[in-house]
Amino acid sequence: GENVEQHPSTLSVQEGDSAVIKCTYSDSASNYFPWYKQELGKGPQLIIDIRSNVGEKKDQRIAVTLNKTAKHFSLHITETQPEDSAVYFCAAVLSFGAGTTVTVRA
Amino acid sequence: GAVVSQHPSWVICKSGTSVKIECRSLDFQATTMFWYRQFPKQSLMLMATSNEGSKATYEQGVEKDKFLINHASLTLSTLTVTSAHPEDSSFYICSALGGFDYEQYFGPGTRLTVT
Repeated sequence: GENVEQHPSTLSVQEGDSAVIKCTYSDSASNYFPWYKQELGKGPQLIIDIRSNVGEKKDQRIAVTLNKTAKHFSLHITETQPEDSAVYFCAAVLSFGAGTTVTVRA
Repeated sequence: GAVVSQHPSWVICKSGTSVKIECRSLDFQATTMFWYRQFPKQSLMLMATSNEGSKATYEQGVEKDKFLINHASLTLSTLTVTSAHPEDSSFYICSALGGFDYEQYFGPGTRLTVT
């Protein structure tokens, strides 16, 4: 099956700064890459996704970039706010990365 | 749109008993639903893929006789944890494939505690 690696495992940023999380995948046939945000005690929520025919996608303060040649994709959060603090998961096919705990310091 | 619900949201049961968790797609039909479990501070692990009207496909290492999955309609899949033990305590999350953009939508999760 698909192997997804996610880095870093924890990320602490000052409010207003940017946060970047990177994932790599193994199956070159994968063509859909979602990112999920999970708050404590809740299920994951889709925040942005990208398909293999697109290199970058942006939605307000959140963007995702995809490099199919290198088989990696990244989540970018700009102008971070305290409510961005959560665990973020990337996924490819039905496999999830290990998650990144993001803490935004006020 | 594309809302998935789970019931119950949390449950406590005694060792040896069985627990049923429901996953419903509220405003779309889902021929395929997925069941995941998540231990504290860990990622989601796919347990099984549930297809409406057919047997579920279980991931390697998941006991099909212990985790019974039924997908009897296009909007409902159930996971029954049989003869539960404390090590089955976990957060169980379902997702449904569908909606206007045919994406995977997750339910809020069910926290199971076996005493």
